[in-house]
Amino acid sequence: SQQGEEDPQALSIQEGENATMNCSYKTSINNLQWYRQNSGRGLVHLILIRSNEREKHSGRLRVTLDTSKKSSSLLITASRAADTASYFCATPRGGSGYSTLTFGKGTMLLVSP
Amino acid sequence: DVKVTQSSRYLVKRTGEKVFLECVQDMDHENMFWYRQDPGLGLRLIYFSYDVKMKEKGDIPEGYSVSREKKERFSLILESASTNQTSMYLCASSLPLGLQPDTQYFGPGTRLTVL
Repeated sequence: SQQGEEDPQALSIQEGENATMNCSYKTSINNLQWYRQNSGRGLVHLILIRSNEREKHSGRLRVTLDTSKKSSSLLITASRAADTASYFCATPRGGSGYSTLTFGKGTMLLVSP
Repeated sequence: DVKVTQSSRYLVKRTGEKVFLECVQDMDHENMFWYRQDPGLGLRLIYFSYDVKMKEKGDIPEGYSVSREKKERFSLILESASTNQTSMYLCASSLPLGLQPDTQYFGPGTRLTVL
């Protein structure tokens, strides 16, 4: 079952511009993660934000979390061609007792030189 | 750094063949996962394992089985491959619930084509 849903599905920008991707989810969570996937490769963990945090930074990445709206955003500042990838949010599956995640369908980001 | 490896990057098999996809992680993680990824459908969990010889069904276990005889190795088995199992298969591992919040480490993926 899908928990996180990213928006937009695709985003095309020029190098140097900022890219913003959004994620909405349905149930209460204790953390939310963002992953990146380069074309044809595995996913790479980017950043995790806990439910008691509102904003977190890592290099050119800024993640926000609004638990009242059940949404998160990922901002990539001063984008580079190398940022071209798909970006996924992931939330824990509650209630199972196991450490499993539900991934959204992703936002495909294209950064043109 | 955590390293998760998968036995093949590309694989082509015939309908009806038995297919083994192997995944190995070197970080002593308890949890291991198999996903398939299809355009428009995102990542879907097939099976996961939280300990040696233990397994749990994910969202789409039909047509698949798994084996975990050693902690570092998790195999996905397609008993009789079908064309609708053509997909990208991703393996991942993580620490148990409570030790580190859920972060998963992925292998590079195996793109399987069933003819």
